[in-house]
Amino acid sequence: DAKTTQPNSMESNEEEPVHLPCNHSTISGTDYIHWYRQLPSQGPEYVIHGLTSNVNNRMASLAIAEDRKSSTLILHRATLRDAAVYYCIVGSNFGNEKLTFGTGTRLTIIP
Amino acid sequence: DVKVTQSSRYLVKRTGEKVFLECVQDMDHENMFWYRQDPGLGLRLIYFSYDVKMKEKGDIPEGYSVSREKKERFSLILESASTNQTSMYLCASSLGQQLDIQYFGAGTRLSVL
Repeated sequence: DAKTTQPNSMESNEEEPVHLPCNHSTISGTDYIHWYRQLPSQGPEYVIHGLTSNVNNRMASLAIAEDRKSSTLILHRATLRDAAVYYCIVGSNFGNEKLTFGTGTRLTIIP
Repeated sequence: DVKVTQSSRYLVKRTGEKVFLECVQDMDHENMFWYRQDPGLGLRLIYFSYDVKMKEKGDIPEGYSVSREKKERFSLILESASTNQTSMYLCASSLGQQLDIQYFGAGTRLSVL
């Protein structure tokens, strides 16, 4: 699996957009980028994934750099319930290989 | 919605005890996983299973064993619990496809005294 680098922590004001960066400079051509988040006292939950194009779903958007060596998870309007640890993971065959979560980015939302 | 249920949220055990952590999923998923989570270390994979009675070691299998007798149930066993196994344990399941999504339980916080 490609290694990822994320900031340890970030803060954002409530109701403002949040951009969570992830560097994955050793990503291969077949690697997908997945994001999970872990709310306090819960297990991680899937947020979004992408390969080359930017992706949107009801939870977030994923912006992938043209060279695919970095990506950004975008929360368009952060709420207090978005306070969590966000994990960026890359891999090519998630069904048959383990996920390497790393330590993620702890997002704090300021009311 | 997929549901992954871990039998206990909190457990307190004594050193040397045999400990069973149970996990059940209700979506007929092929894959099941056990992780432990410690501050500063992220999630680390202990064991995973691609099918009934099948298991593979993860990154930190020492001191643990697993059992998968039925598709929906995956048990983590600490043969002789030690204080360094005090941790949060997370179970997950997935369909077993290339673009797989893992669904996690709420976790079991185990304290070994």
